[in-house]
Amino acid sequence: AQSVTQPDIHITVSEGASLELRCNYSYGATPYLFWYVQSPGQGLQLLLKYFSGDTLVQGIKGFEAEFKRSQSSFNLRKPSVHWSDAAEYFCAVGTPPSSSNTGKLIFGQGTTLQVKP
Amino acid sequence: GAGVSQSPSNKVTEKGKDVELRCDPISGHTALYWYRQSLGQGLEFLIYFQGNSAPDKSGLPSDRFSAERTGGSVSTLTIQRTQQEDSAVYLCASSLRAIGGIDGYTFGSGTRLTVV
Repeated sequence: AQSVTQPDIHITVSEGASLELRCNYSYGATPYLFWYVQSPGQGLQLLLKYFSGDTLVQGIKGFEAEFKRSQSSFNLRKPSVHWSDAAEYFCAVGTPPSSSNTGKLIFGQGTTLQVKP
Repeated sequence: GAGVSQSPSNKVTEKGKDVELRCDPISGHTALYWYRQSLGQGLEFLIYFQGNSAPDKSGLPSDRFSAERTGGSVSTLTIQRTQQEDSAVYLCASSLRAIGGIDGYTFGSGTRLTVV
């Protein structure tokens, strides 16, 4: 069964600094990979997704993520963080249709991002 | 509707009582999912429905939890004999298809359940 690990529970960065949130997955083949964001008092919103092709994917709000098969990672990055990026970020993995576990996403435990002025 | 609607938004119940949580997915979305979000626990998968197929109930934590989806639309999650450890935010999501999440989920705002 697939699983997702977000090693960092809490990260603090200064506004304007770069950001990288880590995500590692466990799955035998190439999974579908996602990043979601949950702002305070808001529902979860899809930032970006990867399922094939170019391993560097662009998302909304200036975020990008890179799929690295050799490291089983899908880290989220942003060159310059804004105060409004303070939120909780979730990495998730889904499986292609050939898998018996198709359909549902498995989420990591989340990383809370705090932005210092 | 325009988004996924969940009701109630907040529910406080006494230990031992039964509760029903409702989810109204986006019209036309065939897949519907329930997750539970506890403090520091991330999102825990509970159950998902895909069209007329048998639901995937593999995430339900005990037989006190059940869910149904009527007419391929509205879903109700029922928790019987609630316990304090059931306190969490219960999130519902829907997607156009259930193909590994490829279409992306649209989440509701959740129901915050507090068992006292």
